[in-house]
Amino acid sequence: EPEVTQTPSHQVTQMGQEVILRCVPISNHLYFYWYRQILGQKVEFLVSFYNNEISEKSEIFDDQFSVERPDGSNFTLKIRSTKLEDSAMYFCASSGIYRVRREKLFFGSGTQLSVL
Amino acid sequence: GESVGLHLPTLSVQEGDNSIINCAYSNSASDYFIWYKQESGKGPQFIIDIRSNMDKRQGQRVTVLLNKTVKHLSLQIAATQPGDSAVYFCAETTSGSRLTFGEGTQLTVNP
Repeated sequence: EPEVTQTPSHQVTQMGQEVILRCVPISNHLYFYWYRQILGQKVEFLVSFYNNEISEKSEIFDDQFSVERPDGSNFTLKIRSTKLEDSAMYFCASSGIYRVRREKLFFGSGTQLSVL
Repeated sequence: GESVGLHLPTLSVQEGDNSIINCAYSNSASDYFIWYKQESGKGPQFIIDIRSNMDKRQGQRVTVLLNKTVKHLSLQIAATQPGDSAVYFCAETTSGSRLTFGEGTQLTVNP
């Protein structure tokens, strides 16, 4: 069964460093998303991406965050200068195939980001 | 076993019992709802969805009920198994908008 894959599974970084989280969405999907989950809390929306541009972003997704689809398969989230409060599990998701509602998201297993 | 209210974080049931997990949503304009299961260290896994023009939908061992009058969603799991132990999230959305997750309920199935 097709799945969303994310790398790395764990990322440890120093405060102020840049990190790039990588995702390979399901191949025939059209919409791509990043969500995050702070330990013990609910899953929070960060950004959605369609047709090579951001379609919606949350208040969490400030100027330190950016997304990119550098080729036909990868979708990345960059945090320019990490803060302690960026520590969370980051989930990539994709959706959108013919006759299936595009809000039906399929998630990857996540990247646990720890900022020290 | 049954959870009541959005803010009850845990539900413990015996193997073989039926489980009911409840969720209250806030946006009366929401027209699509999904239940996700999240096992420890993994991403949310799609279980079942329902559109607002329906009040009930059944899957394999799971049923989702939607009551738009009181903005309430429930997930029923029949004959709960140890493998059902996980955190369950409801999520809501309006067409074209972000999927918004609820707080989650930790289901524990005792053998």
